Amino acid sequence: GEDVEQSLFLSVREGDSSVINCTYTDSSSTYLYWYKQEPGAGLQLLTYIFSNMDMKQDQRLTVLLNKKDKHLSLRIADTQTGDSAIYFCAYNSGYSTLTFGKGTMLLVSP
Amino acid sequence: DAGVTQSPTHLIKTRGQQVTLRCSPKSGHDTVSWYQQALGQGPQFIFQYYEEEERQRGNFPDRFSGHQFPNYSSELNVNALLLGDSALYLCASSLGNSNQPQHFGDGTRLSIL
Repeated sequence: GEDVEQSLFLSVREGDSSVINCTYTDSSSTYLYWYKQEPGAGLQLLTYIFSNMDMKQDQRLTVLLNKKDKHLSLRIADTQTGDSAIYFCAYNSGYSTLTFGKGTMLLVSP
Repeated sequence: DAGVTQSPTHLIKTRGQQVTLRCSPKSGHDTVSWYQQALGQGPQFIFQYYEEEERQRGNFPDRFSGHQFPNYSSELNVNALLLGDSALYLCASSLGNSNQPQHFGDGTRLSIL
């Protein structure tokens, strides 16, 4: 299987919460990341979590990490149309090189 | 504070040609990594440069080569271009030997005809 797996698509209504899930295989990674990519753009770092943490909150974003199950999730509260984008889960390995999933496309409808 | 800048933004080449892409890291960063993102895929790690040397390399053929200059900027060179090299090439910078995350540029869109 893939090193990082994500569901490909998520559709929510504006104002709802969005939860994007990710599973990974490398248990030695020290950090896990969420990046956002808008059409025609590069990757924007949203948030990251150290592997010895269970949760990290940053304004509307909440990251949950279950290290035992190698499961990472990103919750976006009060989702807005501007949150529509592709979201990538990634972990670091080696000299902070990143291994990415294929991304989850989030579509927010008004 | 300038972020990661890449040039050119778009490029069209034909099979067999060679291409050079350029990247300037975020101010204060000394490490540059290159990634290839094919359409509909996540970025794939090509290689990383630190102290002007290739420090780590992903699973890419030696047609892909790079360079880092004393000012930390970097180039990615691809020889003998194939149709499958069409992709968005992303540069990311970070502070070597730190736990700080990588910051990405907007990429160079390379199309091979």
